[in-house]
Amino acid sequence: DARVTQTPRHKVTEMGQEVTMRCQPILGHNTVFWYRQTMMQGLELLAYFRNRAPLDDSGMPKDRFSAEMPDATLATLKIQPSEPRDSAVYFCASGGYGLETQYFGPGTRLLVL
Amino acid sequence: DQQVKQNSPSLSVQEGRISILNCDYTNSMFDYFLWYKKYPAEGPTFLISISSIKDKNEDGRFTVFLNKSAKHLSLHIVPSQPGDSAVYFCAASAGSGNTGKLIFGQGTTLQVKP
Repeated sequence: DARVTQTPRHKVTEMGQEVTMRCQPILGHNTVFWYRQTMMQGLELLAYFRNRAPLDDSGMPKDRFSAEMPDATLATLKIQPSEPRDSAVYFCASGGYGLETQYFGPGTRLLVL
Repeated sequence: DQQVKQNSPSLSVQEGRISILNCDYTNSMFDYFLWYKKYPAEGPTFLISISSIKDKNEDGRFTVFLNKSAKHLSLHIVPSQPGDSAVYFCAASAGSGNTGKLIFGQGTTLQVKP
């Protein structure tokens, strides 16, 4: 049963701390997406990679957010320093060819105090 | 600027009746549209899609309608079941989906009452 995994599932931290979220895409998928869900904006695309190369990170605040794919089995999203407005659910999704193949992980619920 | 809008945050229907969820978009370059369903504490899952060359796509109880001139799409669920209670997101893509980039709406919470 192939699925996208995300860790941690929940994170509570204090303002100014570094937060690292990890994602393991489905084996064989060549595209990885990072989304953020908020009440006001719904699901926002932050960044995505294809074959581990960043294709678009225009949705990401560059000064504090960074996304990487160190290898094909791991994608990371870092926030440094974190702020209360970063509190949201962060989803990772991976996909092959075709939009319907975009599968989401269960999300990381982040609370910045 | 919200390119994909779901103006109804919530919808409540009786079991067995029709649920109609609406979505509007502003970008005329969008040519592929999808609906996702999300349960609490889970990620969204793909439900149904439609290409801009069609105006209707049906899959069991779910039908998506696309009105390109109005830049509007809707998801019909008939008959609605309590298990359909979830958040529904519409999403759009440009470039025939080759980029893989999806723009999502804010979501509509559907409650189906037994």
